[in-house]
Amino acid sequence: ETGVTQTPRHLVMGMTNKKSLKCEQHLGHNAMYWYKQSAKKPLELMFVYNFKEQTENNSVPSRFSPECPNSSHLFLHLHTLQPEDSALYLCASSQDYWRGPSSYEQYFGPGTRLTVT
Amino acid sequence: KQEVTQIPAALSVPEGENLVLNCSFTDSAIYNLQWFRQDPGKGLTSLLLIQSSQREQTSGRLNASLDKSSGRSTLYIAASQPGDSATYLCAVISSGGGADGLTFGKGTHLIIQP
Repeated sequence: ETGVTQTPRHLVMGMTNKKSLKCEQHLGHNAMYWYKQSAKKPLELMFVYNFKEQTENNSVPSRFSPECPNSSHLFLHLHTLQPEDSALYLCASSQDYWRGPSSYEQYFGPGTRLTVT
Repeated sequence: KQEVTQIPAALSVPEGENLVLNCSFTDSAIYNLQWFRQDPGKGLTSLLLIQSSQREQTSGRLNASLDKSSGRSTLYIAASQPGDSATYLCAVISSGGGADGLTFGKGTHLIIQP
């Protein structure tokens, strides 16, 4: 595997379900990100992790719970979602975000298409 | 709060034409600007990254320019091909650094007619 991978690629869940999205990066990066892409809206940053530490929570509802067990893996745990949470969820990584502009370039995974019924 | 605007929202041109996509941002204190391509239902592919100290970057038929003081960037596509059809997204890293993540525009949906 190369680059950034995400599983599953598609997920349909009911509002009472609990599910998790997984992201893995094979680039040796230290920073990982979750973004949400809804129809007709720009991509929105959700969470940022650097060296496994969460450094940004962009006012995301608590029904979304991130986990970063190591620098290569990032999870997004989902519970009690609403239909408006249906979207494409994208994971990205960068070398880090404190060493300067050359380390900020982000690489994206293919996304998980989530449908909440 | 940084805002990114892309014009036009959609563009359809015949194959072979040269074209320009525009991006503007409200806060000129940026570190980087990245142009991405997104095919329907897919993730993002990075096309070009311009650091704030740079004026332009080139990759094949693509050329991106940055005028940081005026808050503008353009993506020039030469000799367009049907395979260039996709949504093109512009995104910036603002003064908070990478910890703030990327701020994206809504994209330009490009169709190249064979």
